[in-house]
Amino acid sequence: AQSVTQPDIHITVSEGASLELRCNYSYGATPYLFWYVQSPGQGLQLLLKYFSGDTLVQGIKGFEAEFKRSQSSFNLRKPSVHWSDAAEYFCAVGAGNNDMRFGAGTRLTVKP
Amino acid sequence: DGGITQSPKYLFRKEGQNVTLSCEQNLNHDAMYWYRQDPGQGLRLIYYSQIVNDFQKGDIAEGYSVSREKKESFPLTVTSAQKNPTAFYLCASSGWREKTDTQYFGPGTRLTVL
Repeated sequence: AQSVTQPDIHITVSEGASLELRCNYSYGATPYLFWYVQSPGQGLQLLLKYFSGDTLVQGIKGFEAEFKRSQSSFNLRKPSVHWSDAAEYFCAVGAGNNDMRFGAGTRLTVKP
Repeated sequence: DGGITQSPKYLFRKEGQNVTLSCEQNLNHDAMYWYRQDPGQGLRLIYYSQIVNDFQKGDIAEGYSVSREKKESFPLTVTSAQKNPTAFYLCASSGWREKTDTQYFGPGTRLTVL
């Protein structure tokens, strides 16, 4: 069965600094990969997704992610973090519509 | 404006009571889902429905029930058999054309057992 690991429970970065959130997955076939963001007490908002094609995926709010099959990774990046990016970020892998697996999340704190 | 609505935002339940969480979507999606979110954990699938009048158990269906009488609606009932129901509940919807269609989420309902 597929699984997702987000190694970092909590990350703190300064405003304006670059950001990379790690995501490692385990899945035998070509995965469908997603990054979602969740503000406190809110639902999940889709940032970006990878199904096939170009391994560098652009998303909303200036985020991007790179699929690396050899490393089983799908890390999320942003060149310059804004205070409004403080939230929890979830990586997910899909093996079917009824089989989405979510990581435990990484909480991002942004220092002024 | 297309989207998913969930109500209520906060719900309090006494032990032994059943409660029903509402989820409505106007995205014309075929599939709908219920997830449970606990602190420090990812989302876990409770039930999903691919089509009206059909639904399937997810990983943690015990103590929950659902119905899908209309395409737009997928209510979740948390029964008294659910031993630890305090959690944040998220409803989602998607198409069912690709292997894994993108799921879109509602704002959630926080259920607290008193």
